[in-house]
Amino acid sequence: AQSVTQLGSHVSVSEGALVLLRCNYSSSVPPYLFWYVQYPNQGLQLLLKYTTGATLVKGINGFEAEFKKSETSFHLTKPSAHMSDAAEYFCAVSEGGFQKLVFGTGTRLLVSP
Amino acid sequence: DTGVSQDPRHKITKRGQNVTFRCDPISEHNRLYWYRQTLGQGPEFLTYFQNEAQLEKSRLLSDRFSAERPKGSFSTLEIQRTEQGDSAMYLCASSLSRGESGRVTDTQYFGPGTRLTVL
Repeated sequence: AQSVTQLGSHVSVSEGALVLLRCNYSSSVPPYLFWYVQYPNQGLQLLLKYTTGATLVKGINGFEAEFKKSETSFHLTKPSAHMSDAAEYFCAVSEGGFQKLVFGTGTRLLVSP
Repeated sequence: DTGVSQDPRHKITKRGQNVTFRCDPISEHNRLYWYRQTLGQGPEFLTYFQNEAQLEKSRLLSDRFSAERPKGSFSTLEIQRTEQGDSAMYLCASSLSRGESGRVTDTQYFGPGTRLTVL
């Protein structure tokens, strides 16, 4: 069975600082990996996804993530945090396209001035 | 694309009552998914449809839950005899496995969700 572990339920950074949100996955088949962001009382918005090919994936709003098979990781980074980045971030895995997503428990990003 | 819409956005009900939620996917999207998200957790898969066919159901979907997509467009999720443990955000998502144009969008696009509170 697939699973996702997100280390740290809360991450606090200062505006302008590096953002690093950690995600480790478990999958018996080559995974599809996703990062979604959720603002309060809203649905989920896709930030980026990895399917095949280049292991460094660039997404919206300056975020990127790197797929590292040897470490079973897909950490999300952004060089400089903005106040508008404050939200809940979810990492998810699936067994390929069009399959159900298995989500982690989420990491709340707090950005201070 | 007008986006995935869900109705109602909020529902408060008393234990034992039945509730029904509606999801309208992005037009042309033939796959539709339901997830449930409880406070402090990530979304959990409930079920999904390819057109009108329900292809997979999670063990989370007890006998009190039923989902339909009668014409392969909008979908409804009904919960009978609601319990306090059913309180959650119910999320709908859609994707396109293959359109008439040959277009494929395997990304799941989520709606804003329906927040259910069972008193």
